[in-house]
Amino acid sequence: EAEVAQSPRYKITEKSQAVAFWCDPISGHATLYWYRQILGQGPELLVQFQDESVVDDSQLPKDRFSAERLKGVDSTLKIQPAELGDSAMYLCASSLNTGELFFGEGSRLTVL
Amino acid sequence: AQSVTQLGSHVSVSEGALVLLRCNYSSSVPPYLFWYVQYPNQGLQLLLKYTTGATLVKGINGFEAEFKKSETSFHLTKPSAHMSDAAEYFCAVSRAGYSSASKIIFGSGTRLSIRP
Repeated sequence: EAEVAQSPRYKITEKSQAVAFWCDPISGHATLYWYRQILGQGPELLVQFQDESVVDDSQLPKDRFSAERLKGVDSTLKIQPAELGDSAMYLCASSLNTGELFFGEGSRLTVL
Repeated sequence: AQSVTQLGSHVSVSEGALVLLRCNYSSSVPPYLFWYVQYPNQGLQLLLKYTTGATLVKGINGFEAEFKKSETSFHLTKPSAHMSDAAEYFCAVSRAGYSSASKIIFGSGTRLSIRP
């Protein structure tokens, strides 16, 4: 069964360092989402791509976060510099625009 | 704008008892509604969704939900809880119609615990 792949699963970093997360969506899924999930809360949309174009990045803290999907397939989310408040689970999801999101297992970030 | 409110951050039921997780939504346009489940240290998995047609929708693992427009609700139920149902449950809403601009908004989640 096709899955959304994310790496790394776990990342521990010190504040002010740079960190990057990678996501490979299910083949053929044009829409890709990055969500941030703080412990005990629901996922919050950071950025949404349709193919290689950004559809919505209104909640992305653009002073330190960036996201790209250069060839419209896999995607990278970067944080530089990381802050203590960035500790969270970063979830990637993809969709065929059927209303169903397929999520990866997430990348858990701890900033010390 | 759309939003979702899940009533009760933690629900505990006995094994074999009825499960009821509450979700109310706000939407200025016809909504699509979803329930997702998340097991520890995993991503979210779709349980069921309402788009159009029948207001009572059935999902995986014996769960079902009913769309009630007059009450702006989409509560999740299961007649008999099983230990394996222990997880975090998220209600979500998007605007009707599938498009690249569809944005899915999640509630804050309800943690379901099952007592032996």
